[in-house]
Amino acid sequence: GAGVSQSPSNKVTEKGKDVELRCDPISGHTALYWYRQSLGQGLEFLIYFQGNSAPDKSGLPSDRFSAERTGGSVSTLTIQRTQQEDSAVYLCASSLSSLSYEQYFGPGTRLTVT
Amino acid sequence: QKEVEQNSGPLSVPEGAIASLNCTYSDRVSQSFFWYRQYSGKSPELIMSIYSNGDKEDGRFTAQLNKASQYVSLLIRDSQPSDSATYLCAVFVDSNYQLIWGAGTKLIIKP
Repeated sequence: GAGVSQSPSNKVTEKGKDVELRCDPISGHTALYWYRQSLGQGLEFLIYFQGNSAPDKSGLPSDRFSAERTGGSVSTLTIQRTQQEDSAVYLCASSLSSLSYEQYFGPGTRLTVT
Repeated sequence: QKEVEQNSGPLSVPEGAIASLNCTYSDRVSQSFFWYRQYSGKSPELIMSIYSNGDKEDGRFTAQLNKASQYVSLLIRDSQPSDSATYLCAVFVDSNYQLIWGAGTKLIIKP
């Protein structure tokens, strides 16, 4: 079946603009995770959803970052007033549930803030 | 603070040899462990999961887990140039339903 999809694949934006990144998980997967990976660095956890609720928002770097998930499926990560340090690859992963530990990743969105 | 430690490498291995990647973790109660492969410019891909002490084999890959020593490893037999990638170790933390990630080991297979 189809894997995790993300859009856009690349996004270039000017500093101060808002951006929205989209993730469509594997069908039937109830848990969804957002990560950030800066060039040459490891994975930084941002937020996860079980269904439409986000039990853990502790990884969001600042209040400029927010995420939502509707219908237990598609999720949107929004970054307001982007800064150059927001430049990174934003990865989304899904798993069958929060109790099913295997996470499957989408191809990522490369965000460049100029 | 729960941690997962990996040698960053690069680890250089000749083609056809066995590549051995190691990972240690701090959370004694973790029960689930994963190896992901990440090619440059690509997203991580799950290659092995292991939940019980001992060895688990899948093709050329063998994962080894020793919970007493808080140690998990990945062996790649008959290494191929296509195995050149960064290998990420991840440990599931039951208390918050999250994976804790190592920084990854860069593996280079020399033809």
